[in-house]
Amino acid sequence: DAGITQSPRYKITETGRQVTLMCHQTWSHSYMFWYRQDLGHGLRLIYYSAAADITDKGEVPDGYVVSRSKTENFPLTLESATRSQTSVYFCASSGDSFTYEQYFGPGTRLTVT
Amino acid sequence: DAKTTQPPSMDCAEGRAANLPCNHSTISGNEYVYWYRQIHSQGPQYIIHGLKNNETNEMASLIITEDRKSSTLILPHATLRDTAVYYCIVSLGDKLVFGAGTILRVKS
Repeated sequence: DAGITQSPRYKITETGRQVTLMCHQTWSHSYMFWYRQDLGHGLRLIYYSAAADITDKGEVPDGYVVSRSKTENFPLTLESATRSQTSVYFCASSGDSFTYEQYFGPGTRLTVT
Repeated sequence: DAKTTQPPSMDCAEGRAANLPCNHSTISGNEYVYWYRQIHSQGPQYIIHGLKNNETNEMASLIITEDRKSSTLILPHATLRDTAVYYCIVSLGDKLVFGAGTILRVKS
């Protein structure tokens, strides 16, 4: 299906485990982003990517790793999950420039126990 | 630091125009004003953006004051499906910083 998808939609994991959240877009957009959303903090940018093999840190990158070997995929890995990383994670993409109309995925609700 | 100020919540009657204000008194000359909304449990959705001129699309109109220190998002005929959190964001084009937004409740 066309658009931006995220998987899994829901995930429960234990503290210390490695978790990877997947993001896939079918528009061949250059830019992709990862945000987290928590009560009291709103949406915060974790990492972004301007193109394949180009990534950069956002506002809250600690504890996360990203890669972008293909334009359409932008996985987010929590190398050793902590309870503070319990959140809803949104992936987004945009075409022409960094902030011109970002399209958001449906989100992944992650719980770290 | 917050670059925009929005009321925490607003109510609107179904079928009436919803006017959502945003103050951005420290906006710089090359910063755009963006509006997004987030319906409960969904990802944010782009609505409209502008630099100086008023803008209109199929979803909404954006009115920016001449001094660019404030703007208003107008939903011309609000429906129940427009109930959401509306975010006003100013950006140079490097990144989007989401604030708390305005919760718009459209009531029948």
